[in-house]
Amino acid sequence: NAGVTQTPKFQVLKTGQSMTLQCAQDMNHNSMYWYRQDPGMGLRLIYYSASEGTTDKGEVPNGYNVSRLNKREFSLRLESAAPSQTSVYFCASSNRQGRVDTQYFGPGTRLTVL
Amino acid sequence: KQEVTQIPAALSVPEGENLVLNCSFTDSAIYNLQWFRQDPGKGLTSLLLIQSSQREQTSGRLNASLDKSSGRSTLYIAASQPGDSATYLCAVDAKGAAGNKLTFGGGTRVLVKP
Repeated sequence: NAGVTQTPKFQVLKTGQSMTLQCAQDMNHNSMYWYRQDPGMGLRLIYYSASEGTTDKGEVPNGYNVSRLNKREFSLRLESAAPSQTSVYFCASSNRQGRVDTQYFGPGTRLTVL
Repeated sequence: KQEVTQIPAALSVPEGENLVLNCSFTDSAIYNLQWFRQDPGKGLTSLLLIQSSQREQTSGRLNASLDKSSGRSTLYIAASQPGDSATYLCAVDAKGAAGNKLTFGGGTRVLVKP
């Protein structure tokens, strides 16, 4: 059981380049999330998708776009990368059952923008 | 806006000592609170989830308490071991208008010395 997978694991970009981070989950979860984690800070929500076909902005959406391709896959796109987007990006998925919503996280993508 | 704070940012203890990790949040209107473990270079693993109606949860050597009225949670790890060395993050779940959102603290980095 793979859980949540992310590709790539590492990426170096130059300012202005674009790229897409891929995320897939095999737990049949409805909700998926993209977070970024910066040194000394907790995770901050970029975008989330409560169900297939819907996406919503989180706390720090500027400079990013997302696509919920199907129930399994949720991608994050940087159209014009900036050094401020150097971070570790985590994808997560969950299935809320009543008030319990345990999120399962992927291993992360370490992105450096020069 | 919900804010989650974890103090201290780092903690070092000798093996066998009990660990006490603190988490505080500003808005008591939460669904639940979760504690996560993060190993270096890895994703997050959920340790315990306390629903808003509960006061504590236990799993093995881990015990987490929740005091919603004062906006505090504490994670206790009994008889610490070097394998407990990791970063521990707490997160509160407050259902937003269009989905589920976790707000994370900055984490406490724990080192257990043999």
